[in-house]
Amino acid sequence: AQKVTQAQTEISVVEKEDVTLDCVYETRDTTYYLFWYKQPPSGELVFLIRRNSFDEQNEISGRYSWNFQKSTSSFNFTITASQVVDSAVYFCALSGSDNYGQNFVFGPGTRLSVLP
Amino acid sequence: DAGVTQSPTHLIKTRGQQVTLRCSPKSGHDTVSWYQQALGQGPQFIFQYYEEEERQRGNFPDRFSGHQFPNYSSELNVNALLLGDSALYLCASSFLGASYNEQFFGPGTRLTVL
Repeated sequence: AQKVTQAQTEISVVEKEDVTLDCVYETRDTTYYLFWYKQPPSGELVFLIRRNSFDEQNEISGRYSWNFQKSTSSFNFTITASQVVDSAVYFCALSGSDNYGQNFVFGPGTRLSVLP
Repeated sequence: DAGVTQSPTHLIKTRGQQVTLRCSPKSGHDTVSWYQQALGQGPQFIFQYYEEEERQRGNFPDRFSGHQFPNYSSELNVNALLLGDSALYLCASSFLGASYNEQFFGPGTRLTVL
């Protein structure tokens, strides 16, 4: 069975601090995809990044960076110099290799509050 | 290019009633998935439709059913509503032929069951 764990329920930081959101996953698939989504108060899930299981390179996009480590089944997300607009719930998700399925298993989410 | 759209935005029903939610996928997408997101939780996969057939289903009772139309739009039907069905219902679309799995989500329909 596939499972995603986000141990941090809520995090509060002061603006300009760096913050890391943790994600640990479980899967028996050899090919899989990992995602991060942002959910602002409006409710819509906003895609942030996709990473496939064969690509362990870390990625940086502006203030966002992701650290994928297959050895520890983790896919952590760091926001550098956080801003108030980063306040949202962040979800890590896992998708298997079955294209027919394409369904996502989401973690419970981490609520990030960035205080001015 | 319109993204995924859902209607209605909000809905209030009473226990025992039936409800239909609608979703139009992003242009060029042929697959629609439905998720239920209870308050404070992550989305849970309900089912997925492709070529007008249910291809995969999550752990949801038969009270939850769906349909996909030839234009790829989809409906989610819930019968005999329970209080526990109150949630944000998210629709996601994707293209099955894509080399990677990426789903685009709509804004959701917030269902309240009284």
